[in-house]
Amino acid sequence: DAKTTQPNSMESNEEEPVHLPCNHSTISGTDYIHWYRQLPSQGPEYVIHGLTSNVNNRMASLAIAEDRKSSTLILHRATLRDAAVYYCILREVNAGGTSYGKLTFGQGTILTVHP
Amino acid sequence: DVKVTQSSRYLVKRTGEKVFLECVQDMDHENMFWYRQDPGLGLRLIYFSYDVKMKEKGDIPEGYSVSREKKERFSLILESASTNQTSMYLCASSTLLLRVAPLHFGNGTRLTVT
Repeated sequence: DAKTTQPNSMESNEEEPVHLPCNHSTISGTDYIHWYRQLPSQGPEYVIHGLTSNVNNRMASLAIAEDRKSSTLILHRATLRDAAVYYCILREVNAGGTSYGKLTFGQGTILTVHP
Repeated sequence: DVKVTQSSRYLVKRTGEKVFLECVQDMDHENMFWYRQDPGLGLRLIYFSYDVKMKEKGDIPEGYSVSREKKERFSLILESASTNQTSMYLCASSTLLLRVAPLHFGNGTRLTVT
């Protein structure tokens, strides 16, 4: 499985933007980039995913480098509720266009948000 | 919203006991998964199922089995619990109908084996 590398921890102040980086230099053409986060005492929660183009949703934005070897999750205005472990995951879609959804989680980035 | 419900939040069992962890999802998802989460090791996939009565081994299936008799329910079974199975267990589900559909996780069962 292609691997990802993330910083162990990052800190931010409330209401400031946060850029969470992820390196995936061995990414293949069929790998989607997924981000999940895990709040304290909860299961992981889906945040966003993309293949080649930048993506936006109500939770965050995903910026993908042109060569796809890295990506950045952007939280536009961090709140205290965004304090969590953020996981960057590569997910392969098979030739049939389906994915059974097996995800390989790394250690993630612990995001601390200061008031 | 998709809801994945794990029957117990905390469970304490004795070594050698047979343990059942239950998971139910309410969105008619085809795929269901069992992960365990340990400090320093992250989440590791134990088993998954993509249909009723179908199962596939994940990365660490030893010491575990699963049962999926109904589409909405996926059970993880520890045939003879051991102390090294003390962990947080997370169930998840996803649909096969969407390409790269996200996984929806329950809030976990923290199992302690004494």
